Amino acid sequence: AQSVTQPDIHITVSEGASLELRCNYSYGATPYLFWYVQSPGQGLQLLLKYFSGDTLVQGIKGFEAEFKRSQSSFNLRKPSVHWSDAAEYFCAVGADNDYKLSFGAGTTVTVRA
Amino acid sequence: ETGVTQTPRHLVMGMTNKKSLKCEQHLGHNAMYWYKQSAKKPLELMFVYNFKEQTENNSVPSRFSPECPNSSHLFLHLHTLQPEDSALYLCASSAPGQGTDTQYFGPGTRLTVL
Repeated sequence: AQSVTQPDIHITVSEGASLELRCNYSYGATPYLFWYVQSPGQGLQLLLKYFSGDTLVQGIKGFEAEFKRSQSSFNLRKPSVHWSDAAEYFCAVGADNDYKLSFGAGTTVTVRA
Repeated sequence: ETGVTQTPRHLVMGMTNKKSLKCEQHLGHNAMYWYKQSAKKPLELMFVYNFKEQTENNSVPSRFSPECPNSSHLFLHLHTLQPEDSALYLCASSAPGQGTDTQYFGPGTRLTVL
C-alpha cells in the first residue's frame, strides 16, 4: 500500500519569501501525486497533480511541484508567498486504477508580515 | 450550485441523538467518499461509493451508517456517537473509470459530540 510523509508539521515564512513544502511517498510503481490546500474552516482544494510526463508541474495560485523518482519526493514550491497562502497543505498519493488516496498529516504554513 | 456541497456546516449533538450529514455533488461524478479529519492526523477514509454501490468500508464503527441513493447524493447517518467522534467530516467525489482520478472535496461538517 502507498503512504505519504510530510516531515514538517509547521513552517513559518515571511511574506514575499519563498516557500518549499516537503513530501515523501512510498509506492512501488509510478505514483499519482497530489497537493491540496485547506484554509481554516474549509474543505480541501486541489493545487496541482502529477500523473505522468513533465516532472515539473504547475498549479494554481503560483504553486509548482517537482516529482523526483530517485528521491521518492514531490515537493511543493512557491517563489513569493502572500499572506493569503497561510493554510494547511496536504500531499496525497494514489495508485494506478485505484480510487483510494493516502494523505500525509499536513503542514501548517504561517505567513508573517 | 457548483462543486461539492455539505450540510450542515456545523453540528453539535449529544451521545444519544440521531443526526444525518448530507453531501451533494454537481460535477457529474460517479464515486463519492466520506473522510474523517481529526486534528494533526492524516485524513481517514471511511466509506467509498462507486455508482451507488459501497465499495469500501474502512473498519468504521456501526454507529456511522452511510447511504447513497444516487450518484449525486451521499448521507452519513449518525447515532449514539462518542466524544472521540468529534471531527471534521469531509465528503469528496471523483470520476473513476479513468485511472486514478482527482477527488474534489466539500467544505466539511464540523461535528461536536457532547
